[in-house]
Parts: sequence; structure tokens; C-alpha cells
Amino acid sequence: GAVVSQHPSRVICKSGTSVKIECRSLDFQATTMFWYRQFPKQSLMLMATSNEGSKATYEQGVEKDKFLINHASLTLSTLTVTSAHPEDSSFYICSASGLAGAVAKNIQYFGAGTRLSVL
Amino acid sequence: GESVGLHLPTLSVQEGDNSIINCAYSNSASDYFIWYKQESGKGPQFIIDIRSNMDKRQGQRVTVLLNKTVKHLSLQIAATQPGDSAVYFCAEIPLSSGSARQLTFGSGTQLTVLP
Repeated sequence: GAVVSQHPSRVICKSGTSVKIECRSLDFQATTMFWYRQFPKQSLMLMATSNEGSKATYEQGVEKDKFLINHASLTLSTLTVTSAHPEDSSFYICSASGLAGAVAKNIQYFGAGTRLSVL
Repeated sequence: GESVGLHLPTLSVQEGDNSIINCAYSNSASDYFIWYKQESGKGPQFIIDIRSNMDKRQGQRVTVLLNKTVKHLSLQIAATQPGDSAVYFCAEIPLSSGSARQLTFGSGTQLTVLP
């Protein structure tokens, strides 16, 4: 149980294009989803917190117009990197947490990550 | 471009030995802690959790110890196997995160299991 699917696993795009990453909770309802960015050999850096049906809360220094987050249902959140540039190249990871009783509300379950390379 | 990577603390153990991975957390008001395992190129995988009102919790081959006095968390892995090689992160949930229950991750430790 508590499986989170993230797609695509890897994407290479040209500078100036937009890239959409999907995060799905497959076997539980995720009231909250989180998006992280990770640089090589570093820890996970929280970008934003997203609750179903409401606007995402972005961490300080994360441009909300650059990283568009949509959480339209209890099982799907998307991150769109708009007008991507080489400095946006990174490993992006989503996670989801669910309701108490079904899945422990404190535990975040992670997707496999998306490696974005912007040329 | 991406930031220059920092060197992760590393721990090398012989296969079959026990491993102890340590973590110092920063927020004395954190009420929940989790250990995650991250293999190369993958997302973090939940290992074990512990509430702040506990000082020890055991799972299958793993034990987490919490010392709130010195704000220290450790993960003990018994009979370490090659498949345990990965980066291990401790994470805390500060009370200040409210209902969002956001995780604050530690810097991670690279565990390498030697044959």
C-alpha cells in the first residue's frame, strides 16, 4: 500500500519550453502533496505544499509563476516548470500524505523522482 | 547551473555487521521523526518513524533511538546487507508546520556495505 507514481522519470527539453510532471497516489487519497527539488549529493529541498482543491503554498525563494502546481483531485498533483532554463535542471520529487486511519497522516510517501535536463 | 554538491557524511560497514547512522536535529519542538532510505536515482523510501514521546522503536532489522535531551536520532541496522547501501535521511516534523506536517530533512549519510 501507499504507492506514489511519478511521471515522467526523465525528461530532456530545450530551453524556453515548459515541462509537466505528474504525481499520483495509486492506492490512497492524498489530502496533501509536496514537491521537492534535490541537487546531487544534497538533501531534499521543499518547494511547495499542495492541498487538494486549494492553491499551493510555496517556500521562500521558490517562484510560483515559474513552478506551477495543480492539485485538482485527491490522487493527482502536477508540477509545471514554465519556460525552463538550464539552471532548472535538477531532480524533482513529489510526495503524498493521506488521511489518518487509512495511511498515517504524518508519513510522506515519495514518488521515484523526475530527472529534468534543460539544454 | 546546479549548485556544487556537498560531500555527504559516509559510513562503510562490512556485510553482516551492524550499522549505526546518526542524526542531530535542530528543533526541540519537533514531535515526530522519520528515517528514509534513498537509493541512487530514486525517491526516498520510508523505513521507520518515532514520536517524540518515545525513545526507542524497533522494526524489522532496524531500530530508531531518540534522545531529546541532546536532540539526537539514530538508526541501527542489524546484519547489514548489500541492499542496504543507500543514502539515509532523518526527517523531523516541527510543531510549527501545523496541519501541513511538513518534513525538514537532515543532510543525509551515505551507507556503503562492503563485501
